[in-house]
Amino acid sequence: YELTQPPSVSVSPGQTATITCSGHNLGNKYACWYQQRPGQSPVLVIYEDTKRPSGIPERFSGSNSGNTATLTISGAQAMDEADYYCQAWDSNAVIFGGGTKLTVL
Amino acid sequence: QVQLLESGPGLVKPSETLSLTCAVSGDSITSDFYWGWVRQSPGRGLQWIGSIYVGTSTYDNPSLRGRVSISADTSKNHFSLKLTSLTATDTAFYWCVRHGGPSAGTGIGYWGQGTLVTVSS
Repeated sequence: YELTQPPSVSVSPGQTATITCSGHNLGNKYACWYQQRPGQSPVLVIYEDTKRPSGIPERFSGSNSGNTATLTISGAQAMDEADYYCQAWDSNAVIFGGGTKLTVL
Repeated sequence: QVQLLESGPGLVKPSETLSLTCAVSGDSITSDFYWGWVRQSPGRGLQWIGSIYVGTSTYDNPSLRGRVSISADTSKNHFSLKLTSLTATDTAFYWCVRHGGPSAGTGIGYWGQGTLVTVSS
């Protein structure tokens, strides 16, 4: 099972960034999203498709339907520049997408 | 607060076996969570290695072709990874993690600080 993400996405400060994650019938599974800043451990920003862990800003939101899960960052800030990974379970295995580098400029 | 701390060698020779241990505090490894390992080669993406649901089952990444063994020591509240037949492609940053199960959707909520393992003679 594979999860496919665009390698890179660019957004201007204050605008909305959208990062997609595609997989066969992904909408029938739960999708999670992680943010990884350079030199740091990944941080969970979305779980169960749409939920934000405590401490994650409201500008982060998620959706999942059909074959695509989406991470949306509304009003992107410079501090959001990072790599983002989607993740799901399939056949008792944890699957990660290839990652998307978000540039805020 | 749940904390995970990896320990193990930073340098391992090709063909040898990597052994890493993850010490857990703030939770019991017998709780209703999975305990696993994730790695990242330099400049690459995240790769799940495997996980254990203590007392029940272990799971590992099929792409690692049976080189993975994960075990737990409940008396010490830690779990361990063994990765055999190392090659240079196993050079990576290794994290131990806590996550929910397949039907939970809760994701990997806790990560260790990570440890860099280099495979080189």
